[in-house]
Amino acid sequence: DTGVSQNPRHKITKRGQNVTFRCDPISEHNRLYWYRQTLGQGPEFLTYFQNEAQLEKSRLLSDRFSAERPKGSFSTLEIQRTEQGDSAMYLCASSSGQGNTIYFGEGSWLTVV
Amino acid sequence: AQSVTQLDSQVPVFEEAPVELRCNYSSSVSVYLFWYVQYPNQGLQLLLKYLSGSTLVKGINGFEAEFNKSQTSFHLRKPSVHISDTAEYFCAVTNTGGFKTIFGAGTRLFVKA
Repeated sequence: DTGVSQNPRHKITKRGQNVTFRCDPISEHNRLYWYRQTLGQGPEFLTYFQNEAQLEKSRLLSDRFSAERPKGSFSTLEIQRTEQGDSAMYLCASSSGQGNTIYFGEGSWLTVV
Repeated sequence: AQSVTQLDSQVPVFEEAPVELRCNYSSSVSVYLFWYVQYPNQGLQLLLKYLSGSTLVKGINGFEAEFNKSQTSFHLRKPSVHISDTAEYFCAVTNTGGFKTIFGAGTRLFVKA
């Protein structure tokens, strides 16, 4: 069991640039989640996939944020025209659906300068 | 909609002392409850979960939690803490028929020698 893998682990970008994060879930998990976590706060739900279908995306923070899971395996989270307020850790998690237990990756830190 | 309140933002405690981290939740339907631990610059690791059955659940690292439906609480306890338990602890809730896990703001446990 290789766990949930995220990359890059750290990204520093200039304001206005686009960034993309990748998540590889636990292989047998069909559910995939993205969360955002800022300093001193708990993870904030962004979006959810079941297989390749994005079933909940209302929490994506603006239309600059988008996520895909094209083949129901890995997922990408893209932030366009980054702003300083986007600086946070972006966490990916996956689940088999049993008991709704979700397993997190190590997170991807974004710093917008 | 569910919500989670962690009543203490920081809990300092001496090594080998007992500790309780408090969590209250709000939901109009049945829930699953979780505690996660986060070490600096890492993702979240599952400590324990309540799905059904016995209201006292045991987790990793000697932690346990008790589900109290009437009080809508799920407090985390450990009889004797170690320096290595210093971390951020998050309580989380999911509706049994849902997919979205909601997290509290976290409690920072600081164990002093």
